[in-house]
Amino acid sequence: DAGVTQSPTHLIKTRGQHVTLRCSPISGHKSVSWYQQVLGQGPQFIFQYYEKEERGRGNFPDRFSARQFPNYSSELNVNALLLGDSALYLCASSLAGLRQYFGPGTRLTVL
Amino acid sequence: TQLLEQSPQFLSIQEGENLTVYCNSSSVFSSLQWYRQEPGEGPVLLVTVVTGGEVKKLKRLTFQFGDARKDSSLHITAAQPGDTGLYLCAGAGGNSGGGADGLTFGKGTHLIIQP
Repeated sequence: DAGVTQSPTHLIKTRGQHVTLRCSPISGHKSVSWYQQVLGQGPQFIFQYYEKEERGRGNFPDRFSARQFPNYSSELNVNALLLGDSALYLCASSLAGLRQYFGPGTRLTVL
Repeated sequence: TQLLEQSPQFLSIQEGENLTVYCNSSSVFSSLQWYRQEPGEGPVLLVTVVTGGEVKKLKRLTFQFGDARKDSSLHITAAQPGDTGLYLCAGAGGNSGGGADGLTFGKGTHLIIQP
């Protein structure tokens, strides 16, 4: 079975732009979580969605938003990009909050 | 606010040596997880500890959860070059500011095992 997939793999944007990152969970998993991992740090929790509804939100500004689609895939949107948004964005899927399986991430660079 | 402190941050040792990585917090977590992350990949779960005082073994790796469920340790015996990677501890059910399933991660321990 395919694991969690994320697209794109790498992305370069400039300050002020908007970005959309995509995640496809493992087949059968209904929960998707998003994390930001800045270089040299551990991942930080951004959002968790279950059955298309937001179940949790971390300490991130309103520039960050997400949604989950009927097929359980998810998008993370970031508006008005800042240099500090440069990071590896990780998506994880799980069966109703049990073990989380992480994707390879999307490396976002903001210039 | 970083609620999980990992130490050491960096560790470089020779093949065959033993090592211990620590994960400490002032918060109580319902469970603690240990992950290993390699460059260009997402974290991969190694173990989950749930009960205070619990000890789990995974081949040469031994994981312990503190009695108060605030701290954990990872001990590697006879380290091998294949053990090289970023080791992350993560707490579930703490005050990460997230929902029920938001994990709180430490900064990680960068481990290098030299042949």
